[in-house]
Amino acid sequence: QKEVEQDPGPLSVPEGAIVSLNCTYSNSAFQYFMWYRQYSRKGPELLMYTYSSGNKEDGRFTAQVDKSSKYISLFIRDSQPSDSATYLCAMSAIYTNAGKSTFGDGTTLTVKP
Amino acid sequence: DTEVTQTPKHLVMGMTNKKSLKCEQHMGHRAMYWYKQKAKKPPELMFVYSYEKLSINESVPSRFSPECPNSSLLNLHLHALQPEDSALYLCASSQDRPDRGRLAKNIQYFGAGTRLSVL
Repeated sequence: QKEVEQDPGPLSVPEGAIVSLNCTYSNSAFQYFMWYRQYSRKGPELLMYTYSSGNKEDGRFTAQVDKSSKYISLFIRDSQPSDSATYLCAMSAIYTNAGKSTFGDGTTLTVKP
Repeated sequence: DTEVTQTPKHLVMGMTNKKSLKCEQHMGHRAMYWYKQKAKKPPELMFVYSYEKLSINESVPSRFSPECPNSSLLNLHLHALQPEDSALYLCASSQDRPDRGRLAKNIQYFGAGTRLSVL
């Protein structure tokens, strides 16, 4: 079983829809939770990160972490065609030196005009 | 500024060639990473440098040779690659020092990648 499971998609929504992207994990040591957006043939772009539990909002994006359920979500409000991309969740524990992030497999989102 | 710069953007090489990928960051980060990404797959960690020392090698074949000349630069030297090594190679960096008593922050920022084709 993978440490991080991500809803595989693909996901197709009309412009203006609310999008929910989700990941579950099994490692209780994870403390940092990241969401990356990756356009085709480009590097992953960090969208948001949260430390431990709680919510974080940035414009149309909201990240939620529920450590009791080992479940994280990214919500996109008023989705736009420019949001069409692959979204990767990533998680890491706290290290005193550089350590690994564990990635989900990614969800491909298409927002149709 | 959260920019990680990778050169070249594209590279085509034969199996007998020697080439190098370069990565640069000016965020004061002390950890740098190389990843390999195949189509429709997540990034796969290859190497981690922490304070210019190699701290993680994910059993990568010796035809890939990393180098960290200083805290801002990371190279990946390529020699005798195979066609299956064709992929997007990503560099990332993260803050890797305790900050006012807190433990290191492993939030990684990625470059745009080098798309490598091995013929």
